[in-house]
Amino acid sequence: SQTIHQWPATLVQPVGSPLSLECTVEGTSNPNLYWYRQAAGRGLQLLFYSVGIGQISSEVPQNLSASRPQDRQFILSSKKLLLSDSGFYLCAGMDRGEGEQFFGPGTRLTVL
Amino acid sequence: AQSVTQLGSHVSVSEGALVLLRCNYSSSVPPYLFWYVQYPNQGLQLLLKYTTGATLVKGINGFEAEFKKSETSFHLTKPSAHMSDAAEYFCAVSRSSGNTPLVFGKGTRLSVIA
Repeated sequence: SQTIHQWPATLVQPVGSPLSLECTVEGTSNPNLYWYRQAAGRGLQLLFYSVGIGQISSEVPQNLSASRPQDRQFILSSKKLLLSDSGFYLCAGMDRGEGEQFFGPGTRLTVL
Repeated sequence: AQSVTQLGSHVSVSEGALVLLRCNYSSSVPPYLFWYVQYPNQGLQLLLKYTTGATLVKGINGFEAEFKKSETSFHLTKPSAHMSDAAEYFCAVSRSSGNTPLVFGKGTRLSVIA
């Protein structure tokens, strides 16, 4: 099975600052990759997913973007953070045809 | 389009009592179904999944779920709750092709009272 790594674990950033969260995958090749956000007391919101290098699908219009420069690397970015970007960000991967998603440990982002 | 409804955002049980977390899904194609558990400030961990075959699925930590096509349900149960079961639980559905993002329910927070 695959292992998802995320860093940093926690991050406190001022409003208007840039953001870069990195996710890397071990134990598989050519996975589908996902970024989710979980706001306090709420469920999972799918932000982006990727089926291959350079291929990004955006689920909701917002202040964030994603990139997949390598097969097992998925990056979530923002040029200028908003207060509403605070939340718990989760990266997930899926081997094609298996249906099951594996999740990373998450990054807690607080925008002040 | 697929959707998942988890009845009850918060369920509270006594230690040793039966745990029942409800999940109903909507899918126009044969679904894959999943239950995940999330402990505070951690990622999601797969408890169990149904793809094909036996409709009663056993997972980790003593949990099991039964796929009932006629009721479009996939309820999660555990005969005897333990304090360590306190967590957030998510039900999810996928197309049977397994190549589309999972659709998650809004989650149910399980509290276990001593």
